[in-house]
This record gives sequence, C-alpha cells and structure tokens, in this order.
Amino acid sequence: DAKTTQPTSMDCAEGRAANLPCNHSTISGNEYVYWYRQIHSQGPQYIIHGLKNNETNEMASLIITEDRKSSTLILPHATLRDTAVYYCIVSRVTGNQFYFGTGTSLTVIP
Amino acid sequence: DTGVSQDPRHKITKRGQNVTFRCDPISEHNRLYWYRQTLGQGPEFLTYFQNEAQLEKSRLLSDRFSAERPKGSFSTLEIQRTEQGDSAMYLCASSSRFGLAGGPSNEQFFGPGTRLTVL
Repeated sequence: DAKTTQPTSMDCAEGRAANLPCNHSTISGNEYVYWYRQIHSQGPQYIIHGLKNNETNEMASLIITEDRKSSTLILPHATLRDTAVYYCIVSRVTGNQFYFGTGTSLTVIP
Repeated sequence: DTGVSQDPRHKITKRGQNVTFRCDPISEHNRLYWYRQTLGQGPEFLTYFQNEAQLEKSRLLSDRFSAERPKGSFSTLEIQRTEQGDSAMYLCASSSRFGLAGGPSNEQFFGPGTRLTVL
C-alpha cells in the first residue's frame, strides 16, 4: 500500500475550520483514502473515506485532488472535542491492513 | 452496544507470564484485525482474519504471539513468556465487505483496546 505524509502537528481556533493535509503521491488507482482520528487512550475512530470524488458526511469533508496525490480533511467548525491525532491512510478495498504512520496531532484552542 | 469490544481493558503482568486478550467484533463483520500501538506511534498491524482463516501475519508477530478465531466470531491473542517490550495497547478492529454507504469498502471499526503493562 502507498504511504502517506502528514504534518506532525497543527493548531486550530475553536469554531474555525480545521484543514488537515495529506500527501499520498504513490497512491494506486484501486486505493482509497481513509481518515481516522484517535482521541487519547481510545481506539481509532473512522471519519470518512473516498476514492476520487470529494466526500462529505456529518463529521467532515474530504477533498481529493484530481491527480489523487494529495487530500485534505476539513472539519468545518472545530470544537475542543476534535483535539486528537488524525491519521490519513491509503488502502485497497479488499480487506487489507492499514498503515497508520504517526498522523497529525490537532489541538483546538479555545 | 453493537461496537467492537475487548477484554480486559487493562492487564498488568510480570515478565515471563502468559497473557490472553479477547476481541468480540461487530456481529456481521467477517474480517478481524489485531494491531499494536506503543506510546507516540500509530497502530501497527499484527494479523488479519477473514472468517476463521488467518490470512496475513506481520513480521512483528513473533513466535511468542498466537492469534485464533475458531468459529469466525470472537478472536483471542495470546502472548507467551511476556517481555517488557510487549508493553503496548493492543487494538482489535473488524470490517465487512461493504461499507456504511453500501458499496465495497475496508472501513475498519476499532475497539477500545487492551493496555498491557509488563513489569
């Protein structure tokens, strides 16, 4: 599976949009982009995933560039409870393991 | 609660002892994964089951580690002769062939983890 590159840490003001970037320049045509987050001492939580189209759900939006080499997770109105480590993962759909990397530690500031 | 459950949540043991962890996946999920996470790192894959068949094992899974999923439902992870380096959070996840939106997917749903401390 392709590997991803994310900034180590980011800050965001409460109520503002948090934009978390991810580079996955070696992504294959059959690999999806998944985003998870992990709040301290809990298991990772699924946020969203996509193949090539932009996706939105009740938690976040996922913007994937046309060449699919990078993506951005958008939390539209960050709250203090969004403080967590965010992982960007690329994976095939066929029951494959996830490579998590070290993720981006997002701190939402009051 | 219909999520993934793990038992125990915490385990403290002495070096050299054997420990066993249990994972109960979401009931209709046929895929089950074990990961290990140490402080400051992301989860690392250990092994994967599809139904009762163990299809993938990481090189991290030494001979002291064994995982089973005898009836394709719950799974156990056993560590024999524990070492201090085994101290970590052990995470279990499950998935089905189809995602929340109905199409094919690999959305993995994680349990709360078992935190192992080896003294």
